[in-house]
Amino acid sequence: GAVVSQHPSRVICKSGTSVKIECRSLDFQATTMFWYRQFPKQSLMLMATSNEGSKATYEQGVEKDKFLINHASLTLSTLTVTSAHPEDSSFYICSARDGGPSVDTQYFGPGTRLTVL
Amino acid sequence: DAKTTQPPSMDCAEGRAANLPCNHSTISGNEYVYWYRQIHSQGPQYIIHGLKNNETNEMASLIITEDRKSSTLILPHATLRDTAVYYCISQRRGQNFVFGPGTRLSVLP
Repeated sequence: GAVVSQHPSRVICKSGTSVKIECRSLDFQATTMFWYRQFPKQSLMLMATSNEGSKATYEQGVEKDKFLINHASLTLSTLTVTSAHPEDSSFYICSARDGGPSVDTQYFGPGTRLTVL
Repeated sequence: DAKTTQPPSMDCAEGRAANLPCNHSTISGNEYVYWYRQIHSQGPQYIIHGLKNNETNEMASLIITEDRKSSTLILPHATLRDTAVYYCISQRRGQNFVFGPGTRLSVLP
């Protein structure tokens, strides 16, 4: 099956610093990738949709200047959390859409646990 | 808001079939039904999807009712490793996934 990787798997940073998370589709090309956030005991919440070569589309309430998304190639999207604060601590998960002829199956990365001190 | 409803939790004995229901009474004709599962502290794992017909793969079977208003995911021989939160999603091509709270399946020894 399709494989999506994320790096790093876990990061701890100080308040005010920036953190970059990478998401790669390893065995397929993904014109569209997605970034989700998941708080403890809650479901996944879509943050933004990332299209290769164009600006990301952010969901309502997600600050685009705080969560910078770059999708420079068909296999790589990055999420940078700028000036991180403790409330940004969460589990960040990316997915890549394998857009076949009739379906839009998403394959998810293993997630990145961010802890901001 | 999610367009599907699922029971919040279920138990299943190891080795028995786990039948997870999902209600999607407002599904439209061009929406697919997807199932994913999330094991603790991991990203969701794709299980199966379908449109109208029943589907089966190496992981599970998906039974969709004729009126498409509900479906059942069947894990034929549940193991302890199948303990996870299972998400049922209805989605039209090009539309974003909306995750509900899912069903927490506990497989008991």
